Amino acid sequence: EDQVTQSPEALRLQEGESSSLNCSYTVSGLRGLFWYRQDPGKGPEFLFTLYSAGEEKEKERLKATLTKKESFLHITAPKPEDSATYLCAVHPLSGGYNKLIFGAGTRLAVHP
Amino acid sequence: ETGVTQTPRHLVMGMTNKKSLKCEQHLGHNAMYWYKQSAKKPLELMFVYSLEERVENNSVPSRFSPECPNSSHLFLHLHTLQPEDSALYLCASSQASGRSDTQYFGPGTRLTVL
Repeated sequence: EDQVTQSPEALRLQEGESSSLNCSYTVSGLRGLFWYRQDPGKGPEFLFTLYSAGEEKEKERLKATLTKKESFLHITAPKPEDSATYLCAVHPLSGGYNKLIFGAGTRLAVHP
Repeated sequence: ETGVTQTPRHLVMGMTNKKSLKCEQHLGHNAMYWYKQSAKKPLELMFVYSLEERVENNSVPSRFSPECPNSSHLFLHLHTLQPEDSALYLCASSQASGRSDTQYFGPGTRLTVL
Protein backbone atom coordinates (compact mmCIF):
# COMPACT_ATOMS: atom_id res chain seq x y z
CA GLU A 1 0.00 0.00 0.00
CA ASP A 2 1.28 3.44 -0.92
CA GLN A 3 2.15 5.46 2.18
CA VAL A 4 3.71 8.78 3.19
CA THR A 5 5.09 9.46 6.68
CA GLN A 6 6.36 12.83 7.85
CA SER A 7 8.57 13.46 10.87
CA PRO A 8 8.73 15.05 13.30
CA GLU A 9 5.04 15.79 13.86
CA ALA A 10 6.00 19.15 15.40
CA LEU A 11 9.24 21.10 15.57
CA ARG A 12 10.16 24.17 17.58
CA LEU A 13 13.20 26.18 16.53
CA GLN A 14 14.88 29.35 17.62
CA GLU A 15 15.32 31.98 14.93
CA GLY A 16 18.50 31.16 13.02
CA GLU A 17 18.57 27.50 14.15
CA SER A 18 18.75 25.37 10.99
CA SER A 19 17.03 21.98 10.81
CA SER A 20 15.46 19.42 8.47
CA LEU A 21 12.02 17.91 8.00
CA ASN A 22 11.66 14.35 6.77
CA CYS A 23 9.19 12.74 4.36
CA SER A 24 9.46 8.96 3.98
CA TYR A 25 7.44 7.24 1.31
CA THR A 26 6.56 3.72 0.28
CA VAL A 27 5.22 3.53 -3.26
CA SER A 28 5.47 1.07 -6.13
CA GLY A 29 7.13 3.78 -8.18
CA LEU A 30 7.34 7.57 -8.04
CA ARG A 31 6.07 10.04 -10.64
CA GLY A 32 6.75 13.06 -8.45
CA LEU A 33 7.07 14.35 -4.89
CA PHE A 34 5.64 17.68 -3.79
CA TRP A 35 6.24 20.00 -0.84
CA TYR A 36 3.61 22.50 0.27
CA ARG A 37 3.42 25.06 3.03
CA GLN A 38 0.10 25.63 4.84
CA ASP A 39 -0.70 28.51 7.17
CA PRO A 40 -3.55 28.11 9.69
CA GLY A 41 -6.98 28.34 8.08
CA LYS A 42 -5.54 28.61 4.55
CA GLY A 43 -4.98 26.33 1.60
CA PRO A 44 -1.62 24.67 0.91
CA GLU A 45 0.86 26.81 -0.99
CA PHE A 46 3.09 25.05 -3.50
CA LEU A 47 6.82 25.06 -2.79
CA PHE A 48 8.65 22.38 -4.82
CA THR A 49 8.28 19.41 -7.14
CA LEU A 50 10.97 16.71 -7.30
CA TYR A 51 10.90 13.95 -9.90
CA SER A 52 13.99 11.76 -9.47
CA ALA A 53 16.50 10.67 -6.85
CA GLY A 54 19.37 13.11 -6.48
CA GLU A 55 17.32 16.11 -7.51
CA GLU A 56 17.49 19.24 -5.36
CA LYS A 57 15.55 22.52 -5.43
CA GLU A 58 16.01 25.73 -3.48
CA LYS A 59 13.91 28.75 -2.65
CA GLU A 60 15.14 31.39 -0.23
CA ARG A 61 15.86 29.57 3.09
CA LEU A 62 14.35 26.27 1.92
CA LYS A 63 16.05 23.41 0.09
CA ALA A 64 14.35 20.15 -0.87
CA THR A 65 16.21 16.94 -1.67
CA LEU A 66 15.06 13.52 -2.85
CA THR A 67 16.33 9.96 -2.50
CA LYS A 68 14.66 6.70 -3.52
CA LYS A 69 12.90 6.39 -0.15
CA GLU A 70 12.67 9.84 1.36
CA SER A 71 12.79 13.57 0.90
CA PHE A 72 14.16 16.25 3.18
CA LEU A 73 13.15 19.87 3.49
CA HIS A 74 16.14 21.75 4.88
CA ILE A 75 15.48 25.11 6.52
CA THR A 76 18.53 27.34 6.87
CA ALA A 77 18.55 30.16 9.42
CA PRO A 78 14.75 30.19 9.79
CA LYS A 79 12.74 33.27 10.64
CA PRO A 80 9.44 33.51 12.57
CA GLU A 81 7.58 33.96 9.26
CA ASP A 82 8.65 30.43 8.29
CA SER A 83 6.29 29.10 10.98
CA ALA A 84 3.67 26.93 9.24
CA THR A 85 2.71 23.33 8.58
CA TYR A 86 4.80 21.73 5.83
CA LEU A 87 3.09 19.03 3.80
CA CYS A 88 4.68 16.35 1.64
CA ALA A 89 2.76 14.50 -1.08
CA VAL A 90 3.69 11.80 -3.57
CA HIS A 91 2.24 10.89 -6.94
CA PRO A 92 2.75 7.13 -7.33
CA LEU A 93 3.25 5.47 -10.70
CA SER A 94 0.10 3.44 -10.08
CA GLY A 95 -1.98 6.63 -10.25
CA GLY A 96 -3.16 7.11 -13.83
CA TYR A 97 -4.07 10.70 -13.18
CA ASN A 98 -2.84 13.15 -10.63
CA LYS A 99 -3.81 11.29 -7.45
CA LEU A 100 -1.58 12.60 -4.67
CA ILE A 101 -1.03 10.85 -1.33
CA PHE A 102 -0.35 13.33 1.45
CA GLY A 103 1.51 12.98 4.72
CA ALA A 104 0.04 14.36 7.94
CA GLY A 105 2.50 17.28 7.92
CA THR A 106 5.12 18.79 10.21
CA ARG A 107 4.07 21.82 12.29
CA LEU A 108 7.02 24.20 12.48
CA ALA A 109 7.22 27.02 15.02
CA VAL A 110 10.13 29.45 14.82
CA HIS A 111 10.58 31.71 17.84
CA PRO A 112 12.52 35.00 17.95
CA GLU B 1 -9.27 37.29 -9.42
CA THR B 2 -6.19 35.10 -9.66
CA GLY B 3 -5.35 31.50 -8.80
CA VAL B 4 -8.05 29.34 -7.24
CA THR B 5 -10.94 30.95 -5.37
CA GLN B 6 -13.51 29.31 -3.11
CA THR B 7 -16.80 30.55 -1.70
CA PRO B 8 -18.01 30.74 0.94
CA ARG B 9 -14.95 30.83 3.19
CA HIS B 10 -16.98 29.78 6.22
CA LEU B 11 -20.24 27.84 6.40
CA VAL B 12 -22.33 26.68 9.34
CA MET B 13 -25.20 24.35 8.54
CA GLY B 14 -27.64 22.09 10.28
CA MET B 15 -27.88 18.41 9.52
CA THR B 16 -31.04 18.86 7.46
CA ASN B 17 -29.81 21.78 5.34
CA LYS B 18 -28.74 21.76 1.70
CA LYS B 19 -25.83 23.97 0.69
CA SER B 20 -23.22 24.20 -2.06
CA LEU B 21 -19.53 25.04 -2.11
CA LYS B 22 -18.12 26.80 -5.15
CA CYS B 23 -14.63 26.74 -6.61
CA GLU B 24 -13.29 28.71 -9.56
CA GLN B 25 -9.84 28.47 -11.10
CA HIS B 26 -8.28 31.29 -13.14
CA LEU B 27 -5.17 29.35 -14.22
CA GLY B 28 -6.39 27.79 -17.47
CA HIS B 29 -6.13 24.28 -16.02
CA ASN B 30 -8.13 21.27 -17.17
CA ALA B 31 -8.31 19.17 -13.97
CA MET B 32 -10.00 20.03 -10.68
CA TYR B 33 -10.12 18.31 -7.30
CA TRP B 34 -12.02 18.31 -4.01
CA TYR B 35 -10.14 17.43 -0.80
CA LYS B 36 -11.27 17.12 2.81
CA GLN B 37 -8.88 18.17 5.58
CA SER B 38 -9.74 17.17 9.14
CA ALA B 39 -7.72 18.13 12.19
CA LYS B 40 -4.35 16.31 12.40
CA LYS B 41 -5.22 14.02 9.47
CA PRO B 42 -3.72 13.96 5.97
CA LEU B 43 -5.63 15.56 3.14
CA GLU B 44 -8.19 13.11 1.79
CA LEU B 45 -8.94 13.18 -1.93
CA MET B 46 -12.69 13.15 -2.55
CA PHE B 47 -13.27 13.75 -6.25
CA VAL B 48 -11.24 14.41 -9.40
CA TYR B 49 -12.48 15.90 -12.64
CA SER B 50 -10.29 15.80 -15.72
CA LEU B 51 -11.52 17.58 -18.86
CA GLU B 52 -14.89 17.95 -17.06
CA GLU B 53 -15.27 14.20 -16.63
CA ARG B 54 -15.26 12.65 -13.15
CA VAL B 55 -12.34 10.22 -12.99
CA GLU B 56 -12.24 9.53 -9.25
CA ASN B 57 -14.84 9.08 -6.56
CA ASN B 58 -12.92 8.04 -3.50
CA SER B 59 -15.67 6.13 -1.65
CA VAL B 60 -17.29 9.37 -0.63
CA PRO B 61 -20.78 9.19 0.94
CA SER B 62 -23.63 10.14 -1.37
CA ARG B 63 -24.49 13.14 0.82
CA PHE B 64 -21.60 14.82 -1.06
CA SER B 65 -22.39 15.44 -4.73
CA PRO B 66 -19.86 17.10 -7.05
CA GLU B 67 -20.60 19.02 -10.23
CA CYS B 68 -18.18 20.34 -12.85
CA PRO B 69 -20.09 22.37 -15.49
CA ASN B 70 -16.88 23.51 -17.25
CA SER B 71 -13.12 23.38 -16.76
CA SER B 72 -13.07 26.55 -14.64
CA HIS B 73 -15.84 25.79 -12.15
CA LEU B 74 -16.39 23.07 -9.59
CA PHE B 75 -19.18 22.68 -7.06
CA LEU B 76 -19.72 20.44 -4.07
CA HIS B 77 -23.39 20.02 -3.17
CA LEU B 78 -24.05 19.09 0.45
CA HIS B 79 -27.19 17.57 1.96
CA THR B 80 -28.08 15.86 5.23
CA LEU B 81 -24.53 16.07 6.53
CA GLN B 82 -23.27 14.64 9.80
CA PRO B 83 -21.24 16.44 12.50
CA GLU B 84 -18.18 14.37 11.52
CA ASP B 85 -18.29 16.08 8.12
CA SER B 86 -17.09 19.29 9.78
CA ALA B 87 -13.71 20.05 8.19
CA LEU B 88 -11.80 22.31 5.83
CA TYR B 89 -12.82 21.58 2.24
CA LEU B 90 -10.15 22.40 -0.29
CA CYS B 91 -10.39 22.77 -4.03
CA ALA B 92 -7.35 22.40 -6.29
CA SER B 93 -6.59 22.54 -10.00
CA SER B 94 -3.81 21.35 -12.28
CA GLN B 95 -2.92 21.07 -15.94
CA ALA B 96 -3.16 17.37 -16.77
CA SER B 97 -0.23 16.69 -19.09
CA GLY B 98 0.69 13.06 -18.45
CA ARG B 99 3.64 13.86 -16.18
CA SER B 100 3.17 14.66 -12.49
CA ASP B 101 1.41 17.98 -12.50
CA THR B 102 1.47 20.47 -9.69
CA GLN B 103 -1.86 21.04 -7.99
CA TYR B 104 -2.68 24.57 -6.88
CA PHE B 105 -5.04 24.98 -3.97
CA GLY B 106 -7.71 27.48 -3.05
CA PRO B 107 -8.07 28.98 0.45
CA GLY B 108 -10.68 26.42 1.50
CA THR B 109 -14.17 26.50 3.01
CA ARG B 110 -14.36 25.89 6.76
CA LEU B 111 -17.54 23.83 7.23
CA THR B 112 -19.22 23.32 10.58
CA VAL B 113 -22.17 20.92 10.82
CA LEU B 114 -24.33 21.36 13.88
